[in-house]
Amino acid sequence: AQTVTQSQPEMSVQEAETVTLSCTYDTSESDYYLFWYKQPPSRQMILVIRQEAYKQQNATENRFSVNFQKAAKSFSLKISDSQLGDAAMYFCAYRSKGGGADGLTFGKGTHLIIQP
Amino acid sequence: GAGVSQSPSNKVTEKGKDVELRCDPISGHTALYWYRQSLGQGLEFLIYFQGNSAPDKSGLPSDRFSAERTGGSVSTLTIQRTQQEDSAVYLCASSAGTGRSGQPQHFGDGTRLSIL
Repeated sequence: AQTVTQSQPEMSVQEAETVTLSCTYDTSESDYYLFWYKQPPSRQMILVIRQEAYKQQNATENRFSVNFQKAAKSFSLKISDSQLGDAAMYFCAYRSKGGGADGLTFGKGTHLIIQP
Repeated sequence: GAGVSQSPSNKVTEKGKDVELRCDPISGHTALYWYRQSLGQGLEFLIYFQGNSAPDKSGLPSDRFSAERTGGSVSTLTIQRTQQEDSAVYLCASSAGTGRSGQPQHFGDGTRLSIL
């Protein structure tokens, strides 16, 4: 079974600064997807960014980018120019590309605080 | 267009009662997922429906939990003889395809269930 670990329960960053959230995972599969989701107090999980394991290039979405290190099984999220609206819980998630359970496997989450 | 809709938003009930939680996925999405989010366990996958195939129930914690999806659209998660440990936020998600396709899951706002 796959596991996802987020080692930072909480992170704090000054507005306009850059912050990196860590995520590591364990799997025996060679092809899969990785995701970062954001969950504000409204509870809705919002997709931030997605990465396919077989793609070498790191995914980027505006101020959000990932550092995907497949051999190290690491998938960190970098948020540049942090904004107050970025404050939320951030979850790293794994999804198998093959057969078996199709649900996402989530980490425990990182609570991101933005200091004005 | 409309996102994933869940009802009720909040539900308070007494221990031992049965509860039904509803999920209305995004129109046209063939895959539907239920997750449970609790303080102690984080986000857990419960059950997955794909089209008319038999559901993947591998994440259901006990036989008190069941779910159905009628007409390939609306889904109901039923918890019988509720226990205090069932208190959690229940999230529903839908996607246009399965894990192999890499289609992201879109989440609803969840139902917060409180067992007295």
